[in-house]
Amino acid sequence: GAVVSQHPSRVICKSGTSVKIECRSLDFQATTMFWYRQFPKQSLMLMATSNEGSKATYEQGVEKDKFLINHASLTLSTLTVTSAHPEDSSFYICSARAGIYSRQKLFFGSGTQLSVL
Amino acid sequence: QKEVEQDPGPLSVPEGAIVSLNCTYSNSAFQYFMWYRQYSRKGPELLMYTYSSGNKEDGRFTAQVDKSSKYISLFIRDSQPSDSATYLCAMSATGANSKLTFGKGITLSVRP
Repeated sequence: GAVVSQHPSRVICKSGTSVKIECRSLDFQATTMFWYRQFPKQSLMLMATSNEGSKATYEQGVEKDKFLINHASLTLSTLTVTSAHPEDSSFYICSARAGIYSRQKLFFGSGTQLSVL
Repeated sequence: QKEVEQDPGPLSVPEGAIVSLNCTYSNSAFQYFMWYRQYSRKGPELLMYTYSSGNKEDGRFTAQVDKSSKYISLFIRDSQPSDSATYLCAMSATGANSKLTFGKGITLSVRP
């Protein structure tokens, strides 16, 4: 299967700072990438969909000015949590849809545990 | 009613047992059905992928889809301690912009 690399795996930051999370497709071109948030013992909540070269589409209730998504190339998408607060602490996971595979197959990164102090 | 319902468990079985995991759904537009395995603090890993109704087997894993009942299952034969993880069902409709809808996940523990 396709490989999606996500970094960092864990980040601890102070309240008010910004954190950038990178998501890379290593062996395929990802025309579409998705960002999810997962709370303990909960399922994945889709935050936004990003298509290479265009603005991200955010799900209802997700602040686009707080969660900045950039998908500048076919292999890289970034999520920046701006002015992070303790309530932003969560597990963030990216996924990518590969054009060479069925559209509905998603490959996930290993996730980033964000802790805001 | 949620679009996808999955028994949250947890589920604990002895090594070698047959495990049955299930999800029900309400959206008749769903055509693609998947099972993901997620280890603690890791991203989900695609286990099984099925289009429409029917069975699919891959090693010790069998996925079943019954669209008439809106019910999908994942069977694990000869379960191993390494199968201990959270299993999430996921499904989507057709169409380029169709999103994946996940179940809540069930945590499985296989006791040696």
